[in-house]
Amino acid sequence: AQSVTQPDIHITVSEGASLELRCNYSYGATPYLFWYVQSPGQGLQLLLKYFSGDTLVQGIKGFEAEFKRSQSSFNLRKPSVHWSDAAEYFCAVRNSGNTPLVFGKGTRLSVIA
Amino acid sequence: DARVTQTPRDKVTEMGQEVTMRCQPILGHNTVFWYRQTMKQGLELLAYFRNRAPLDDSGMPKDRFSAEMPDATLATLKIQPSEPRDSAVYFCASGLGGTTDTQYFGPGTRLTVL
Repeated sequence: AQSVTQPDIHITVSEGASLELRCNYSYGATPYLFWYVQSPGQGLQLLLKYFSGDTLVQGIKGFEAEFKRSQSSFNLRKPSVHWSDAAEYFCAVRNSGNTPLVFGKGTRLSVIA
Repeated sequence: DARVTQTPRDKVTEMGQEVTMRCQPILGHNTVFWYRQTMKQGLELLAYFRNRAPLDDSGMPKDRFSAEMPDATLATLKIQPSEPRDSAVYFCASGLGGTTDTQYFGPGTRLTVL
């Protein structure tokens, strides 16, 4: 069965600092990987996705993620965090075909001045 | 800007009452998902449909939950009778059925069962 682990429940970073959110997955075949962001009271917005090819993928809002098969990881990064990035971030995995997502528990990001 | 819409956005009801949540997928999307978000369990799948046919509803308590797609523009999730443990945010998402397609989420329905 597929599973996703986000080891960090809550992270606090200073505005302008770099960010890395960790995600590890467990899946037997080639995973299809996603990062979503959820602002308070809002739905989930897709930040980026990885299906195949270049293991470094670029997303919206200046985010990027790197797929490392050897480490079963898909970490999310941003070189300089803005206060508006404060939100909950979810990593997810699914099979081929648009099948249901399996989500991690999420990482809450706080940004301080 | 095409979006998934959900109604109501907030629902407060008493235990034992029937609750109906509605979702309008993005026009042309043939795959619809219902997820539930709770603090304890996180985001979990309840059911999903492709071309209006249910493909998986194993995440739903069968005795009280039902999900349908009366037509391609409407998905419904019903709880009867509702219980306090059903309090959660219910998200609908839609997409196309292809391998490289993604899921677009609605704003959710926040359900509180007293």
